[in-house]
Amino acid sequence: KQEVTQIPAALSVPEGENLVLNCSFTDSAIYNLQWFRQDPGKGLTSLLLIQSSQREQTSGRLNASLDKSSGRSTLYIAASQPGDSATYLCAVPNTGFQKLVFGTGTRLLVSP
Amino acid sequence: DAGVTQSPTHLIKTRGQQVTLRCSPKSGHDTVSWYQQALGQGPQFIFQYYEEEERQRGNFPDRFSGHQFPNYSSELNVNALLLGDSALYLCASSSTLVDRAGNIQYFGAGTRLSVL
Repeated sequence: KQEVTQIPAALSVPEGENLVLNCSFTDSAIYNLQWFRQDPGKGLTSLLLIQSSQREQTSGRLNASLDKSSGRSTLYIAASQPGDSATYLCAVPNTGFQKLVFGTGTRLLVSP
Repeated sequence: DAGVTQSPTHLIKTRGQQVTLRCSPKSGHDTVSWYQQALGQGPQFIFQYYEEEERQRGNFPDRFSGHQFPNYSSELNVNALLLGDSALYLCASSSTLVDRAGNIQYFGAGTRLSVL
């Protein structure tokens, strides 16, 4: 059974800092890995999708890496801004591809 | 191009009542998945519908049921509501034509259900 863990659970940083969010998964036979952003009480916004054949994906100040063999992914946020404050979730599809298995998220607060 | 839309946005019910949540998938998508997200937790998979049939189900009781219509929209029904059913219910859609695995999912804004 696939399990996804995210560390840290919460993170508070001053504006401008570079930061790393971690995601680990127990079954390395994944098809892809996706990072989402969730604002309080809102739905999920997809940030980055990394296919199993890729090692990283970049979008603006965001960079996500994937190491299947170690069961880990990191989301790197450069030059953080108060607008980055949100919960960040990672998710992988289960073996049958029918559903996404989510971590519990990292709650990020960026202070001005 | 409208994304995934869910209605209603918020809902307040009392224990024992029944509720129906609705979801319209992104244009061109044929698969709908439902997730429950309790406060402070990640979303948990409830079930997925494709071709008007339930394709896979998560660890949820039979009180949770669904339906998919010919236009691919979907409903989630919860009977005999419990306090623990209070959560954000998320609908996600995907396209088997674009992604055979159907796991590149696009999410709606969710329905916040409060059971008193």
